[in-house]
Amino acid sequence: GDSVTQMEGPVTLSEEAFLTINCTYTATGYPSLFWYVQYPGEGLQLLLKATKADDKGSNKGFEATYRKETTSFHLEKGSVQVSDSAVYFCALSDPQGGSEKLVFGKGTKLTVNP
Amino acid sequence: DTAVSQTPKYLVTQMGNDKSIKCEQNLGHDTMYWYKQDSKKFLKIMFSYNNKELIINETVPNRFSPKSPDKAHLNLHINSLELGDSAVYFCASSPRLAGLSTDTQYFGPGTRLTVL
Repeated sequence: GDSVTQMEGPVTLSEEAFLTINCTYTATGYPSLFWYVQYPGEGLQLLLKATKADDKGSNKGFEATYRKETTSFHLEKGSVQVSDSAVYFCALSDPQGGSEKLVFGKGTKLTVNP
Repeated sequence: DTAVSQTPKYLVTQMGNDKSIKCEQNLGHDTMYWYKQDSKKFLKIMFSYNNKELIINETVPNRFSPKSPDKAHLNLHINSLELGDSAVYFCASSPRLAGLSTDTQYFGPGTRLTVL
């Protein structure tokens, strides 16, 4: 079945550091890929998405490129801020796979210190 | 205006009690979901409804019963609460079934359930 694997956390960085959170996937068809973010005490919200190979999703300084050859969708940001402290979830939808649900990774907690 | 709202935000109750969590979305979406998030932040889908029809029913104890009176509401009733039910429960909605589309899911703020 479809699955998403993302790097184990927690990740702790200093402000203005470079961030990478790795995400790889297995899917039957040609999935769409998502990054959701959960700020403390809140529900998840979409950060960015990409729907086909080589697409780059971007938002709030975060970027992720859909790499079909490596089945990856790594999240990056050049300079993190304290306000980026949150839990980040990689997810996929795979219509050809026949699953009616989003498949989420286990989440990676990011803490950014001033 | 809140897109997906849940009540209550916090729920503390004794083992064996019955409780309900309500969810409403004002986005006009056809599909709604319930997720359970454990203490390690792992997110697990419990149910999804599309146009008031049950689509996904994961391996959830039958003490959990969702009810969708209309497309804008999906409530969760839990009977005979157990310690292991303590978690944060999130409601979400999307225009179509998220797994079959590129649609974004919109999440509510969560209900933190504590069973004593």
